[in-house]
Amino acid sequence: DTGVSQNPRHKITKRGQNVTFRCDPISEHNRLYWYRQTLGQGPEFLTYFQNEAQLEKSRLLSDRFSAERPKGSFSTLEIQRTEQGDSAMYLCASGHTGNTIYFGEGSWLTVV
Amino acid sequence: GIQVEQSPPDLILQEGANSTLRCNFSDSVNNLQWFHQNPWGQLINLFYIPSGTKQNGRLSATTVATERYSLLYISSSQTTDSGVYFCAANTGFQKLVFGTGTRLLVSP
Repeated sequence: DTGVSQNPRHKITKRGQNVTFRCDPISEHNRLYWYRQTLGQGPEFLTYFQNEAQLEKSRLLSDRFSAERPKGSFSTLEIQRTEQGDSAMYLCASGHTGNTIYFGEGSWLTVV
Repeated sequence: GIQVEQSPPDLILQEGANSTLRCNFSDSVNNLQWFHQNPWGQLINLFYIPSGTKQNGRLSATTVATERYSLLYISSSQTTDSGVYFCAANTGFQKLVFGTGTRLLVSP
């Protein structure tokens, strides 16, 4: 059973550097979601794709953030010019429209 | 958009006790899920339950969609049940919106 896979699991970067996270969803799931979670809070929605189309972006997703899902398979989330406030766990999830969604183990980002 | 509220925010139990966690939502829902977040941060699916009642071992959940709430029951709690429980819901097949969670600590 291959669940949602996220890489890297942990990333420490210096302020101002760019980072990229990858998510491999459960195969054949048409929807893919990105969330961000900080300590003591619930996950906050960032963006989601249906196949390769990005259908919604949160206002949390500033112009330093970009997400792609080429060919409707894996997805990448890039953060440019990282800031300390970007430190969080970035969660990816996948599912079929109108059905259960499944989360990966998350990618922890620390900006120093 | 939809608002999701959970109560209580924190819960401390002795091993073997039962508990009920509540989730209120502000609109009719297409999807409602309960998750357990383990100490390593992973969100584990517990139930997909936009309406009705489901049971899985010591856990069960009930959603009364017309009254806009869902309950998660944990019976005979174990230390491994500790963690944060989240309720998340959506309307119109859009993004899931999460509540702020219930932090559960089960002591031996």
